[in-house]
Amino acid sequence: DAGITQSPRYKITETGRQVTLMCHQTWSHSYMFWYRQDLGHGLRLIYYSAAADITDKGEVPDGYVVSRSKTENFPLTLESATRSQTSVYFCASSDGAGGVETQYFGPGTRLLVL
Amino acid sequence: SQQGEEDPQALSIQEGENATMNCSYKTSINNLQWYRQNSGRGLVHLILIRSNEREKHSGRLRVTLDTSKKSSSLLITASRAADTASYFCATDERGSTLGRLYFGRGTQLTVWP
Repeated sequence: DAGITQSPRYKITETGRQVTLMCHQTWSHSYMFWYRQDLGHGLRLIYYSAAADITDKGEVPDGYVVSRSKTENFPLTLESATRSQTSVYFCASSDGAGGVETQYFGPGTRLLVL
Repeated sequence: SQQGEEDPQALSIQEGENATMNCSYKTSINNLQWYRQNSGRGLVHLILIRSNEREKHSGRLRVTLDTSKKSSSLLITASRAADTASYFCATDERGSTLGRLYFGRGTQLTVWP
């Protein structure tokens, strides 16, 4: 199906384990983003990417790693998960056409770190 | 930071009433957007207003923008139970990295049948 997908949708892991959240979009959008959403904080940007092989830090990048070897994929890795990384993670993409930055969001991954 | 702030944090109304949500931001922008999030879902884009526009309509949605006050409002007319959701404003930042948006914490709207 066309659009933006995330996997897994739900994940339970333990402190210290490495976890990778996947994001895939079929629009060939240049820009991709990872956010985390927590009660009281709204959406906070973790990392974003303007194109393949170009990534940059957002507000809360510590403890996370991203890569973008292909335009359509933007995986987010938690190198050593901590309880504070329990959250809902959203991936988004935009094409930035005409300077308009409308973002299209995936359904989210709910991550619980025990 | 540029993060917007929505007001009120929560709003509860009856079906048929109008719902008004406000957003304030801190720095100059190119455009401002409103998104909706249904429970357990991702955000969905509703409407965009550019900095040189003062008002915009889309169906039952009306958005206003006052750049001198750095504020925007979203009006949903004749609300329905299906409008129950969280609503977020998002701004870019004039002169900053293209593509990046700054989201507020949202207004939780509940529409009672």
